[in-house]
Amino acid sequence: RKEVEQDPGPFNVPEGATVAFNCTYSNSASQSFFWYRQDCRKEPKLLMSVYSSGNEDGRFTAQLNRASQYISLLIRDSKLSDSATYLCVVTLNTGGFKTIFGAGTRLFVKA
Amino acid sequence: SQTIHQWPATLVQPVGSPLSLECTVEGTSNPNLYWYRQAAGRGLQLLFYSVGIGQISSEVPQNLSASRPQDRQFILSSKKLLLSDSGFYLCAWGLLGTTKETQYFGPGTRLLVL
Repeated sequence: RKEVEQDPGPFNVPEGATVAFNCTYSNSASQSFFWYRQDCRKEPKLLMSVYSSGNEDGRFTAQLNRASQYISLLIRDSKLSDSATYLCVVTLNTGGFKTIFGAGTRLFVKA
Repeated sequence: SQTIHQWPATLVQPVGSPLSLECTVEGTSNPNLYWYRQAAGRGLQLLFYSVGIGQISSEVPQNLSASRPQDRQFILSSKKLLLSDSGFYLCAWGLLGTTKETQYFGPGTRLLVL
């Protein structure tokens, strides 16, 4: 089983749609969680951290369910510019610490 | 503000040739530095990380090596490239050194080995 698993995608949605990304992690010692966005042929960029209580940034909402080892990202009112690959990222304490990136889910938003 | 540079942006190399990719960070001191590889359509694979000058940890055994000759310089090398070394190489930096650390990526080097 992969340490971080995401929906394989791609997701194809019309402008204005709400889209949800799901991510599960296998190690219960995971401590911090992030969503990154990666545009085609570009580097990943931090979209938002995911807090235990859930957090929102404009049209983006991230949630964490530690009991189910599940993270989600919701994009409301999707824009053409939201088209990208969304990466789920988990860090865990291994004596030092280790950051694990999911393979990503590609999103295409169409007019 | 902090910036991270990588070069070259694109590289085409023959099998068996050497490799040197460079990454530098500006605007911060004693960062944690990372090298990742992303194969086409795949996730990021951590290759090396460094918590200080001369300190390198390898995550995956392969024909690549890394060095950190200066605080804000991280170099990825190979003596003989393989076809399987093709990919998108990303350097990243982070500061906290804990599980709350956020990593920031450079623009990457796209390597094609023929």
